Amino acid sequence: DADVTQTPRNRITKTGKRIMLECSQTKGHDRMYWYRQDPGLGLQLIYYSFDVKDINKGEISDGYSVSRQAQAKFSLSLESAIPNQTALYFCATSDGTSSTGELFFGEGSRLTVL
Amino acid sequence: GENVEQHPSTLSVQEGDSAVIKCTYSDSASNYFPWYKQELGKRPQLIIDIRSNVGEKKDQRIAVTLNKTAKHFSLHITETQPEDSAVYFCAAPAPAHSGNTPLVFGKGTRLSVIA
Repeated sequence: DADVTQTPRNRITKTGKRIMLECSQTKGHDRMYWYRQDPGLGLQLIYYSFDVKDINKGEISDGYSVSRQAQAKFSLSLESAIPNQTALYFCATSDGTSSTGELFFGEGSRLTVL
Repeated sequence: GENVEQHPSTLSVQEGDSAVIKCTYSDSASNYFPWYKQELGKRPQLIIDIRSNVGEKKDQRIAVTLNKTAKHFSLHITETQPEDSAVYFCAAPAPAHSGNTPLVFGKGTRLSVIA
């Protein structure tokens, strides 16, 4: 089945380290997103991309950067991780031609910054 | 930008009772309102959505209602079952974009159905 795959699924790192979370999809969707989930705070949009050459900041982009290497790949980087970036990170995709804009989420990447 | 507020943050109901979760949004131009369900340890998944040209939409035991004048929409679950226990998120599109994305989410409601 077409899916959205995130790697790594779990990562523990130390303050100041550079971290990259990767997302790939076989759905053929043009739009990709990175969300962060913290308990009680819902899903907050970090960055999104509507096409390979398109990158947009979301609600909480400070401390993060992204790269859209190909239509199927969208990676999230933390240049210098800090403890308050400990969270569950979700990649999502959608079809820009769809009438609904339904998001399809990956399984999540749990990041712990010590 | 769009601001979505969701209430309550937690909700406990007896099995068989109904559950209602409410959301308000700020951008009067928004015209698409989805609801996502996230089971424990799983990814969020779309369960129902509504467009602004209708006031209510039903799918078996779940329904969504929309009041554009008041800028609020609600999720209704009837005859609740233990498998309805999950976190539910409402959402609305961020303004000035096409295709109803990206979505801005509410903070979620943790629903517990007590057997």
